[in-house]
Amino acid sequence: EIVMTQSPATLSVSPGERATLSCRASQSVSSNLAWYQQKPGQAPRLLIYGASTRATGIPARFSGSGSGTEFTLTISSLQSEDFAVYYCQQYNNWPLWTFGQGTKVEIK
Amino acid sequence: QLQLQESGPGLVKPSETLSLTCTVSGGSISSSSYYWGWIRQPPGKGLEWIGSIYYSGSTYYNPSLKSRVTISVDTSKNQFSLKLSSVTAADTAVYYCARHFWNFISYWGQGTLVTVSS
Repeated sequence: EIVMTQSPATLSVSPGERATLSCRASQSVSSNLAWYQQKPGQAPRLLIYGASTRATGIPARFSGSGSGTEFTLTISSLQSEDFAVYYCQQYNNWPLWTFGQGTKVEIK
Repeated sequence: QLQLQESGPGLVKPSETLSLTCTVSGGSISSSSYYWGWIRQPPGKGLEWIGSIYYSGSTYYNPSLKSRVTISVDTSKNQFSLKLSSVTAADTAVYYCARHFWNFISYWGQGTLVTVSS
């Protein structure tokens, strides 16, 4: 099983600042990585797939990068609606997907 | 617009079988190339893929749950279902149904909380 490790567990950021979230895979997943945003009481929402491609309707302030085992989700200028939990997911090993444990982005 | 809605008991006793149904609207469950899956999230924790069924009927399960999981499709009702047997408190979670390709999930249900308790 590919283990996905996200860091930090919690990120405190002021509105308007940049947030950088990390996701590390225990073995290479190529670019087969997705990022999701989850707000309290809601289902996750797809933000990024293929490590760097924004999903339909996702603002340009969200960007993804990386390949292999190291990935980054960057939110260039945090808006109030961006405070949430973010999960990475590898799908290189389908049919055994695995998710990271999440990074909570909170208001500083 | 595709919509998925989970339904089923919110409380299940230990050792019994958890049964959930996902009703799909705004699209056909028989559409080619799609998988229909279940993902769960224990309270305050992360996401765990349970398993998926392909439109052709092929099933794929998380090895950690495989011995207890069955996913099936009812095309006449445009529904798919999850059965998880021999549940314990560790199976308490929000259960989401979803539509996906082999890679990422683009459509999720709203989720339903299932508590395992006597």
